[in-house]
Amino acid sequence: AQSVAQPEDQVNVAEGNPLTVKCTYSVSGNPYLFWYVQYPNRGLQFLLKYITGDNLVKGSYGFEAEFNKSQTSFHLKKPSALVSDSALYFCAVTHRGGFKTIFGAGTRLFVKA
Amino acid sequence: DTEVTQTPKHLVMGMTNKKSLKCEQHMGHRAMYWYKQKAKKPPELMFVYSYEKLSINESVPSRFSPECPNSSLLNLHLHALQPEDSALYLCASSQVGEIGRRETQYFGPGTRLLVL
Repeated sequence: AQSVAQPEDQVNVAEGNPLTVKCTYSVSGNPYLFWYVQYPNRGLQFLLKYITGDNLVKGSYGFEAEFNKSQTSFHLKKPSALVSDSALYFCAVTHRGGFKTIFGAGTRLFVKA
Repeated sequence: DTEVTQTPKHLVMGMTNKKSLKCEQHMGHRAMYWYKQKAKKPPELMFVYSYEKLSINESVPSRFSPECPNSSLLNLHLHALQPEDSALYLCASSQVGEIGRRETQYFGPGTRLLVL
């Protein structure tokens, strides 16, 4: 069965500190990997994606993610967290050329001033 | 323009009512999606339209009826809903054609639906 796991329901970090939100996946083939962010009462916003090539992907708002094929992980990172980064983050996978996206359960990020 | 708009923002309906949700995008995307999202849960795919034709139906009950009248517009018609259908309904769109671009979805802000 294909799945995406976000092992942490919640991540707490102080403003200015680095943050990591974890994601592991179990899918066949070569999937495309995504991070989306959702602010309260809003839709999802695309942050970044990994298709192929460099394992370190840079995205919006200073976020980046590292694809690790051997560990089947795609962790989201930011060197210095902002209070405004507090939101719900979803990791997702889609098959090449496909429409169907599998979302992880989501991780709520709290950044404290 | 990278915006997907949804109307209404909020909707309260009784179990015997008929209502419709509307989604619009002007990015030239030819794939459009409906998702249902319960509080603190990930979005669940309901329907996908590709080139205005229904491509995926995730075994959604018939009380939800999608419609794609043109390449910019997607509707979700609601009839005889149950209280457990209360949720945030999200619309999304994506390109079709170039692999590596089609998989990125752009979401609207959603319609928060309450069924009484």
